[in-house]
Amino acid sequence: AQSVSQHNHHVILSEAASLELGCNYSYGGTVNLFWYVQYPGQHLQLLLKYFSGDPLVKGIKGFEAEFIKSKFSFNLRKPSVQWSDTAEYFCAVGITGGGNKLTFGTGTQLKVEL
Amino acid sequence: DAGVTQSPTHLIKTRGQQVTLRCSPKSGHDTVSWYQQALGQGPQFIFQYYEEEERQRGNFPDRFSGHQFPNYSSELNVNALLLGDSALYLCASSLGQDLQYFGPGTRLTVT
Repeated sequence: AQSVSQHNHHVILSEAASLELGCNYSYGGTVNLFWYVQYPGQHLQLLLKYFSGDPLVKGIKGFEAEFIKSKFSFNLRKPSVQWSDTAEYFCAVGITGGGNKLTFGTGTQLKVEL
Repeated sequence: DAGVTQSPTHLIKTRGQQVTLRCSPKSGHDTVSWYQQALGQGPQFIFQYYEEEERQRGNFPDRFSGHQFPNYSSELNVNALLLGDSALYLCASSLGQDLQYFGPGTRLTVT
């Protein structure tokens, strides 16, 4: 069975700092990769996804992620965070051809300070 | 265009009781998946319904059961509640195996 690891459970940054959240997965086959965000009091929203093609994917709100197949990683980045980026971020994996069931990591709580 | 809706928003139950949670999918979607998100954890897949049948199931006991209605809405039932069932229960809908959209969740507290 596949699994997802998110290395940072809590991250605190100042506004304008750069962000990188780590995500590694374990599965030997082809995967679809996702980053979701959960703002306080709101539902899970899709930030970006990777199915195939260019391993550098751009999402909403200036976020991007890079799929490195050899490292089984899909790290999320943003060059300059804003206070409004305070939220919990989840990395998720789906198996290509295995339906759209998702396996999530434990999440990273990001706090951006003014 | 209404997104995924869930009811109730919050629920408090006692150990041993039974609970039913409800989900209405996004307009045009025909597949509903349920996830359990315990405090401090990521969502865990419970099961998925399509054409009124359970298509996939995660590693959850038989106390967790579901149903999908002809209008694609769905229910999640949990019997013999345990303290450990306290969690946020998320419903996600999709058109077939396409991208899932999540609802706001139902917060279940078992005392």
